[in-house]
Amino acid sequence: SQKIEQNSEALNIQEGKTATLTCNYTNYSPAYLQWYRQDPGRGPVFLLLIRENEKEKRKERLKVTFDTTLKQSLFHITASQPADSATYLCAPYVDSNYQLIWGAGTKLIIKP
Amino acid sequence: EADIYQTPRYLVIGTGKKITLECSQTMGHDKMYWYQQDPGMELHLIHYSYGVNSTEKGDLSSESTVSRIRTEHFPLTLESARPSHTSQYLCASSYTSGVGKNIQYFGAGTRLSVL
Repeated sequence: SQKIEQNSEALNIQEGKTATLTCNYTNYSPAYLQWYRQDPGRGPVFLLLIRENEKEKRKERLKVTFDTTLKQSLFHITASQPADSATYLCAPYVDSNYQLIWGAGTKLIIKP
Repeated sequence: EADIYQTPRYLVIGTGKKITLECSQTMGHDKMYWYQQDPGMELHLIHYSYGVNSTEKGDLSSESTVSRIRTEHFPLTLESARPSHTSQYLCASSYTSGVGKNIQYFGAGTRLSVL
């Protein structure tokens, strides 16, 4: 079955450092992959989309990579701030059923 | 800020009651979704719609029903609420074509507690 794996443990990072979150997927080949941020009690908010033919995408302090051979996407936040603390969700898009497949997310905690 | 609204934000009701969770969007998106999410868990798709008069069941079996009579409105109804329905319900919308297709915009959610 299609499966998304994200760091199940919370990630604690010191303010100012780079946070790196991992998303691994199995049993399919997504056309593209999206990353979302979710704050407690709120709906997810779209951050970045990366296509299968793109190696890297950047937006301000955010960077996403997509390795279709490893079946993995990495999400980086540089110069992290306490306000970046949230849960980050990985969502590959599968053409065969026209849906996003959602990971459970990684909880990121940036300590001052 | 996404223009998608869910009401109520919080709802506590007794077992057996009928409830409708409201969702409206003003972005003209053709596709709309309902997800169920428990704390710390992934989103589970329970219903979606490609447009007016189109509704489909998602991957997670649900006793709820939906309707799509207008593009902007996608309400979810539980005919008889049970404690097992206690969860957060998230509504989302997206385009199905164009540059931004399948980027989903979410409402703030409805947290439902059934006693």
